[in-house]
Amino acid sequence: EDKVVQSPLSLVVHEGDTVTLNCSYEVTNFRSLLWYKQEKKAPTFLFMLTSSGIEKKSGRLSSILDKKELSSILNITATQTGDSAIYLCAGGNSGNTPLVFGKGTRLSVIA
Amino acid sequence: NAGVMQNPRHLVRRRGQEARLRCSPMKGHSHVYWYRQLPEEGLKFMVYLQKENIIDESGMPKERFSAEFPKEGPSILRIQQVVRGDSAAYFCASSPYTGTENSPLHFGNGTRLTVT
Repeated sequence: EDKVVQSPLSLVVHEGDTVTLNCSYEVTNFRSLLWYKQEKKAPTFLFMLTSSGIEKKSGRLSSILDKKELSSILNITATQTGDSAIYLCAGGNSGNTPLVFGKGTRLSVIA
Repeated sequence: NAGVMQNPRHLVRRRGQEARLRCSPMKGHSHVYWYRQLPEEGLKFMVYLQKENIIDESGMPKERFSAEFPKEGPSILRIQQVVRGDSAAYFCASSPYTGTENSPLHFGNGTRLTVT
């Protein structure tokens, strides 16, 4: 059975800190890994990674995939209180097959 | 361009009643997915539909749960004879057809079902 495991499950940091969230996956015929941010409502898409070793960046957030280690990390630098959310990682195989999600990392950024 | 629309946002049902959850995908999206989320849990896949077809229902309980995506109108997730364990947030997501690559899913705001 395909599975995605995230760590840590929760994390509390101070504003300005840098955080690294981890995701490991076991997905048959793996194609891509996706990161989402979930605040109170809908998960919103952050990144989709398909190639190993290529960093994707958006502002203070960045992510990279390691296909050899079957893992990915999401980095957030200079954290702000608005970064407080649950960060979800998901693995997908081919085409439009359903994504498999991890349990998420609950990040709390305190002032 | 409206996003994925789900209604109702909150739904309260007594044990034994039926719950109907609706989802209208983003314009141009023909693939709909339903996920369930329990507190402190990730999103658990339930069912994947295209217009008039169920593609994958491997995550949906065989009894009491059903889903459809008719030619016209929204996708419906139906739960008959609800029990307290059905209380959860139900998210719908949609994606366009993109061939072989995974498409990022676009999620609705969810329906929070409470069974009393």
